Amino acid sequence: EAAVTQSPRSKVAVTGGKVTLSCHQTNNHDYMYWYRQDTGHGLRLIHYSYVADSTEKGDIPDGYKASRPSQENFSLILELASLSQTAVYFCASSDVTGSAERLFFGHGTKLSVL
Amino acid sequence: GEQVEQLPSILRVQEGSSASINCTYENSASNYFPWYKQEPGENPKLIIDIRSNMERKQTQGLIVLLDKKAKRFSLHITDTQPGDSAMYFCAAIPSSGSWQLIFGSGTQLTVMP
Repeated sequence: EAAVTQSPRSKVAVTGGKVTLSCHQTNNHDYMYWYRQDTGHGLRLIHYSYVADSTEKGDIPDGYKASRPSQENFSLILELASLSQTAVYFCASSDVTGSAERLFFGHGTKLSVL
Repeated sequence: GEQVEQLPSILRVQEGSSASINCTYENSASNYFPWYKQEPGENPKLIIDIRSNMERKQTQGLIVLLDKKAKRFSLHITDTQPGDSAMYFCAAIPSSGSWQLIFGSGTQLTVMP
C-alpha cells in the first residue's frame, strides 16, 4: 500500500500568521497534490506538482503557495493565514502516465485559523 | 471550470437495503470515473472505478453504471452494512490526456441497523 504522510495532523494558527503543511511520500510517484476539503464542497485542488522544483496552480490557488524540493516532499504554504482557510487539507500522490488515475491520500491536516 | 454534480448529499438507508448515489459531469470527453470512500477521521480511498469504454462494473457488492449519452454515472451499494457508512465521492477526469480529477461534493451515507 502506497504511503503518504502528512504533518502536522492538526494545527491552530492565528490570522495573519504563516503556516506550512508538509507531505512526504514513499511511493516513488511523480505527481503530488494538495486538496482542501470543506463541508459541501468535496475536495478542491489547490496546487499540484509533476516533478521536483516545479509546481502548478490548481482550481483554488489564491492565498496558497507550494514547494516541491524533491520527488518525495511537497509542502503547502499559507503566508498570511485567514479565517477562510480553516479546513482539512489532504495531500495525495499518484503514478501518472497521462492521467491522474488512482490517488493515494494522506490522513489529512485539520487547520483551524483563529 | 469543470463541474461534477453529486446527489444526494445525505443518504440514510436500512441495513440490508441498497443505496444509490448519482453524479453528472459536463465534458463528453471525460473518460475515467472513480469513486472514493472516506470513513470518519480517515483519508479517502479508491473503492471502484470505471472507464468510458464500459457501461457497468461490479466488485464486492459495488456496482458502477456509466451512461455516456446522459453524462451520468452512479454507484450502487447492494446489501448495505453498517461498515458502509461513510462519505462517498465521485470524480471524473475532464478530458482525455488530462491529469486532474474533479470531485463531486460528496454523499454522507448512513446505514441504520
